[in-house]
Amino acid sequence: GQQVMQIPQYQHVQEGEDFTTYCNSSTTLSNIQWYKQRPGGHPVFLIQLVKSGEVKKQKRLTFQFGEAKKNSSLHITATQTTDVGTYFCAGRGSGGSNYKLTFGKGTLLTVNP
Amino acid sequence: KAGVTQTPRYLIKTRGQQVTLSCSPISGHRSVSWYQQTPGQGLQFLFEYFSETQRNKGNFPGRFSGRQFSNSRSEMNVSTLELGDSALYLCASSSGTSGEVDTQYFGPGTRLTVL
Repeated sequence: GQQVMQIPQYQHVQEGEDFTTYCNSSTTLSNIQWYKQRPGGHPVFLIQLVKSGEVKKQKRLTFQFGEAKKNSSLHITATQTTDVGTYFCAGRGSGGSNYKLTFGKGTLLTVNP
Repeated sequence: KAGVTQTPRYLIKTRGQQVTLSCSPISGHRSVSWYQQTPGQGLQFLFEYFSETQRNKGNFPGRFSGRQFSNSRSEMNVSTLELGDSALYLCASSSGTSGEVDTQYFGPGTRLTVL
């Protein structure tokens, strides 16, 4: 079945440093979504990418979807303590039994002030 | 709009018992998905319901079941509980309509502890 791998599992940075998490799917995706979960909270939607090679920005966050629609990345520029949390990618398969949304295991980001 | 609500928020059961969790989606949303979240396995997809029909299913044993009512509210049931079923169970609602942004709106979860 469809698998979504996400690395790294953990990342600790100093405030002001950049951060990147990567996501790879075993199958071609129809879309990829990113979520953030604060400690003790529930996942909150950040963005959805649909097109091959798509790049979207939200302030200090940059999201990319690979040309083959099998990989994605989230880059945070100049991290702040408010960025702390676990970032999940979630890939929606192309159809049939793969249509379900499969989450990566997440990257836990901690920021040292 | 009110968000996704889940009841109960916390539950303690013993092995062998069964449990029913409830989820009320955002008004107008027709799709409800259930996920199990554990520290080691992350978010694992259980099933998705759309207009009272199970649309997708994850790789969980038959002890895990669900249903959706005509008002889109959903329940999931776990029978013959095992220690390994201890987890945060998250429900997410979305419009479920093809062509729209696929945002999953998560509820606060039900923390299930099996003793």
